[in-house]
Parts: sequence; structure tokens; C-alpha cells
Amino acid sequence: DAGVIQSPRHEVTEMGQEVTLRCKPISGHNSLFWYRQTMMRGLELLIYFNNNVPIDDSGMPEDRFSAKMPNASFSTLKIQPSEPRDSAVYFCASSKWALNTEAFFGQGTRLTVV
Amino acid sequence: AQKVTQAQTEISVVEKEDVTLDCVYETRDTTYYLFWYKQPPSGELVFLIRRNSFDEQNEISGRYSWNFQKSTSSFNFTITASQVVDSAVYFCALSESGAGSYQLTFGKGTKLSVIP
Repeated sequence: DAGVIQSPRHEVTEMGQEVTLRCKPISGHNSLFWYRQTMMRGLELLIYFNNNVPIDDSGMPEDRFSAKMPNASFSTLKIQPSEPRDSAVYFCASSKWALNTEAFFGQGTRLTVV
Repeated sequence: AQKVTQAQTEISVVEKEDVTLDCVYETRDTTYYLFWYKQPPSGELVFLIRRNSFDEQNEISGRYSWNFQKSTSSFNFTITASQVVDSAVYFCALSESGAGSYQLTFGKGTKLSVIP
């Protein structure tokens, strides 16, 4: 069974550009999470979807960040416009149920904004 | 609010030594779940174990073992006879019951280097 698939693995972009990160969760998983990992703040939850519906986006840093899940097998995280402080590793994770279950993570997208 | 502390930032051991990674948590809930994840140099996060607050039995899986002690709010992870492939950053995480139960609160991680 394929794991969580994220693309691209690496992204380098100039400040002000739009960036779109993509995620395909594990088939049959109902919950999807976007996390961000930085040296300073560690792993932080950005947004959580359950059955394709955003449930908690309180971790999204600002309006420049948006996430969508148009169907059960695809999600995007968009940053527009990007800033150097957005540089981080962004992880997508999915789990079978939302509550207190282990989440399975993708390999992450390393974003560098110059 | 929940909190996970991994006081050891970095640990180095020589291959075949045993090593214990510490994890201390804070929560007001009586029902909660604890997790360990491994992040090897390739970058992905690999799930290792989930333990609920009502199960204090120690868990052993091959060279890995976990010691859960509610009295000290600790969930420590021991690797026996470490190998170079164990080199990674290890994260302890907590999820509570109730409204925020989908959210994993991670510690800052412990970087383990196993030297051949």
C-alpha cells in the first residue's frame, strides 16, 4: 500500500511568488493534516481536514496560507505571496480516524523562499 | 495545555551500546495518547508506537522498548544494541481526548547519532 505522497520534494522560489504544495493521502484515510517543521518552532499543525472538510485551520499563520481538499485523494497547501520566513519543511499526514490515532506522514516538501 | 518535553537535544553513542531517549509530558486529561516517531536523515516521519494512558505495560518490539510511567509523566524509549541505522531524530508526541484529540503535540526531538 502506498504511503502519503507529497510533491514536490524540494521547492525554491523567489519572494512574492505563489507556491503550491500537493498531497495524496493514504487510500481509505478520512483525516488529513498539514504540518510545518522549522528549527525554531518544531512541528506545528497548520490545518486539519476530516472527510475533505476543513475542521481546524487555527494553525495557519496568516491569510497568505490557504489549503483545499477537493476530494478524498488530493489536497493542496498554497502560499501567496511567499516570504523568506515561510522557508520550512511542510508535511502532509493522514490517518484512518481523526481521534487519537497515529498519523502517517509523507516525505515532506522542503520549501526555500529567497 | 498539553506539552511534551524532550530534554536531550542530541545524543551520541557507539554502536552496540544501549540508549534511552527521555520524554516527559504534561496534560490535564485523564485520557490521552502518547506516540513516538522517527525521522531519519531522508526526512520522512515514521510512526513507531502509540500508547494510551490506561495501558502502563511496557512495550517491546525487537531492539526497541518503551517505558510508560504515569507517576512521573514519562514515556521513555530505549534502543538496545544500537546500530548505525538507528541514527535519526526521534520525536515524542501527545494527543488528548476531547475537542483537540486529532492534534499531535510534538516535543522538539532528540537527535541520536550512532557511531560505528
